[in-house]
Amino acid sequence: DARVTQTPRHKVTEMGQEVTMRCQPILGHNTVFWYRQTMMQGLELLAYFRNRAPLDDSGMPKDRFSAEMPDATLATLKIQPSEPRDSAVYFCASGLPMDRGNEQFFGPGTRLTVL
Amino acid sequence: AQKITQTQPGMFVQEKEAVTLDCTYDTSDPSYGLFWYKQPSSGEMIFLIYQGSYDQQNATEGRYSLNFQKARKSANLVISASQLGDSAMYFCAMSDNFNKFYFGSGTKLNVKP
Repeated sequence: DARVTQTPRHKVTEMGQEVTMRCQPILGHNTVFWYRQTMMQGLELLAYFRNRAPLDDSGMPKDRFSAEMPDATLATLKIQPSEPRDSAVYFCASGLPMDRGNEQFFGPGTRLTVL
Repeated sequence: AQKITQTQPGMFVQEKEAVTLDCTYDTSDPSYGLFWYKQPSSGEMIFLIYQGSYDQQNATEGRYSLNFQKARKSANLVISASQLGDSAMYFCAMSDNFNKFYFGSGTKLNVKP
């Protein structure tokens, strides 16, 4: 049963600390997305990759956020330094264009709390 | 510009009745995809149904059907025979030519016993 995996599932940290979230996309999927979900803003697209290359990261605060795909099986989202307003659930999703119309498969999310 | 609009923040439906969740979209691309996702209280995002812009027939998946009205740019989700387990947030989404997704603000559905 192929699934997107995300680690950690929960993270509590103090303001100013670095946070790294990891995502393993479904094997064979070549697009990876990072979303942030909050009660106030809903689901926001932060960045997305195709074939490991960043296509759009306009939704990401550049001064503190960075997203990378070191290889096809790993995507990372880093926040440095973290702030309380970064508290949210961060979802990773992967997909294969033209596979059921670009359907995205979501991971379980990382719930981040910055104190 | 907002791409996906869900005008119903919350809805109630009686168990075993049908319910329609509204979604309108905005795009000038001829090719796009429309999706509905369910997010239960546990937090995961579950794919429900997909409609391609060139599909002639409305998509159906079990108790879910998508009422696609292209001229009106609407893609409403119809859930037949509601069950208590259908209580969740429902998100409408659209993918563009670049595989970028746009999500609506969601509709919280409560199924009453």
